[in-house]
Amino acid sequence: AAGVIQSPRHLIKEKRETATLKCYPIPRHDTVYWYQQGPGQDPQFLISFYEKMQSDKGSIPDRFSAQQFSDYHSELNMSSLELGDSALYFCASSLTSTAFNYGYTFGSGTRLTVV
Amino acid sequence: RKEVEQDPGPFNVPEGATVAFNCTYSNSASQSFFWYRQDCRKEPKLLMSVYSSGNEDGRFTAQLNRASQYISLLIRDSKLSDSATYLCVVNMNTGFQKLVFGTGTRLLVSP
Repeated sequence: AAGVIQSPRHLIKEKRETATLKCYPIPRHDTVYWYQQGPGQDPQFLISFYEKMQSDKGSIPDRFSAQQFSDYHSELNMSSLELGDSALYFCASSLTSTAFNYGYTFGSGTRLTVV
Repeated sequence: RKEVEQDPGPFNVPEGATVAFNCTYSNSASQSFFWYRQDCRKEPKLLMSVYSSGNEDGRFTAQLNRASQYISLLIRDSKLSDSATYLCVVNMNTGFQKLVFGTGTRLLVSP
């Protein structure tokens, strides 16, 4: 079965650079979520999109922005990168009608290292 | 105070042992509940949903107490492959679905 696809798997950037992370949700899933997981931390919710519209916003810095495109893929854009942005970034998707019972499906994540 | 709290462990147990994890959540309006498993540097994967009536999946039993806002996971006959971090997850339905994660409990099963 198709899963949530994230790219790239690994990314190394310098401070003050920009980065773009991509996510392709499971086909027919209507909601996409972005989470950030720092070393030894639990995943922190950043932002979500329902049917290409932003549906909820968490602890996402102003330097970050995200959008969902007409083909349902989503991109997380990160500017003015800081050392503290180094983390695993997970994308997840769900179908609203089943998320209540089955939660979300996560992608394998993008490991961002800022040097 | 975090919305979902767990004992971070680690829990070190021998193979074959029974181990229990607990979790408390603060938002009484929480709608649904899950246990996710996360291996080192990998994505969280759904282990099981948690229902008020309690539910079992093989060696795993999950229980929910809404009155006490408490969730538990019991693992019987632990295997080496059970070593992982177990994340208690609460669905805060604020109009849209939003999963909130606990900090996770690390389990180490040794031979």
